Amino acid sequence: QKEVEQNSGPLSVPEGAIASLNCTYSDRGSQSFFWYRQYSGKSPELIMFIYSNGDKEDGRFTAQLNKASQYVSLLIRDSQPSDSATYLCAVNSGGGADGLTFGKGTHLIIQP
Amino acid sequence: NAGVTQTPKFQVLKTGQSMTLQCAQDMNHNSMYWYRQDPGMGLRLIYYSASEGTTDKGEVPNGYNVSRLNKREFSLRLESAAPSQTSVYFCASSEALGGSQETQYFGPGTRLLVL
Repeated sequence: QKEVEQNSGPLSVPEGAIASLNCTYSDRGSQSFFWYRQYSGKSPELIMFIYSNGDKEDGRFTAQLNKASQYVSLLIRDSQPSDSATYLCAVNSGGGADGLTFGKGTHLIIQP
Repeated sequence: NAGVTQTPKFQVLKTGQSMTLQCAQDMNHNSMYWYRQDPGMGLRLIYYSASEGTTDKGEVPNGYNVSRLNKREFSLRLESAAPSQTSVYFCASSEALGGSQETQYFGPGTRLLVL
């Protein structure tokens, strides 16, 4: 069974600090990795995807992938109160349309 | 572009009633998905459609049926609603051609309450 694990939190981070969100996955065949943000009462929206080992940066967000250790992380620099949300890690385990396996999400709170 | 749209936004049903949730996308995506989201359970895949004319079961298909009406539309039907089906339902679509094109785009959701 494909599993994606995240710490549910809440993770509390002071405004302006770096928030670090982690995710592990069970299927070594996983190829693509996604981070979604979900505000309360809203639908998930894509923040970043990554499919190569290493770091990928987009503005204040950096995704990190380590396939050997089967983990992916998301760093948010200069955290803002508007970053307070639930962050969902999603993994594609082999391509094709049967799609993504989601973690249960980490609830992030940015303290002003 | 509207992206992924869902109707209705909110619905209350009595146990045993039936209803159909509608989903449409205007991104010309091949694949469409139905998820339910419950507190503490994350997103769970109910059914998906890899392409027009095909549908497959996901993790939690019991009590649901789907129809891929055409490339744009994918509906979810509850034939006899049960309180356990109280949830938020999300429809999503993707190109499903590998890599970044596996990205799924979500509709706004339907909140369903079964009494």
